[in-house]
Amino acid sequence: DTAVSQTPKYLVTQMGNDKSIKCEQNLGHDTMYWYKQDSKKFLKIMFSYNNKELIINETVPNRFSPKSPDKAHLNLHINSLELGDSAVYFCASSQAPGITEAFFGQGTRLTVV
Amino acid sequence: GESVGLHLPTLSVQEGDNSIINCAYSNSASDYFIWYKQESGKGPQFIIDIRSNMDKRQGQRVTVLLNKTVKHLSLQIAATQPGDSAVYFCAENWGGSEKLVFGKGTKLTVNP
Repeated sequence: DTAVSQTPKYLVTQMGNDKSIKCEQNLGHDTMYWYKQDSKKFLKIMFSYNNKELIINETVPNRFSPKSPDKAHLNLHINSLELGDSAVYFCASSQAPGITEAFFGQGTRLTVV
Repeated sequence: GESVGLHLPTLSVQEGDNSIINCAYSNSASDYFIWYKQESGKGPQFIIDIRSNMDKRQGQRVTVLLNKTVKHLSLQIAATQPGDSAVYFCAENWGGSEKLVFGKGTKLTVNP
């Protein structure tokens, strides 16, 4: 069984569109994250939720809006997509933020054309 | 600002050799460190972690060393195998916070 699963795996869309990426974890973790990995492989945290509450919100454009309907799900909605949003987006979860390892999904490769 | 960097962006070794990947971190208040392995097309995979009350931790074929004096972290892989070829990241809980900050990554290539 996949521990952290995100969909879709690939997403190609035009500039200006709105898209969502979904993430689910079956590990029973309280904390979930979204990371963005750029073309140089740099991984940067975007958001973190603990027990459905936002605990980390990096300097991310407000076009990006995370939604956590329950502890097992953290979705990422992106409005008015721009070329610079093209990247691989990873969802992750951990038992306790900052003191235990995070488990990552397989990533969603977003390409904005 | 936040900075977790790696001394060598690429590392090429022969199969069977030992590999050492280095990482420098900048926040002296960070107290939890993790090494991740990322294979092509996959998400980062946990390898080993270490807390600041330790200076060495061993796993299966891997050892992590932590030198808090110089804010340096290293990952040693014994008897490197082709399957170890990947990008390796160090990460720290920035300043002891809930935020996991990643370094830039080192690409390890194992030659048969």
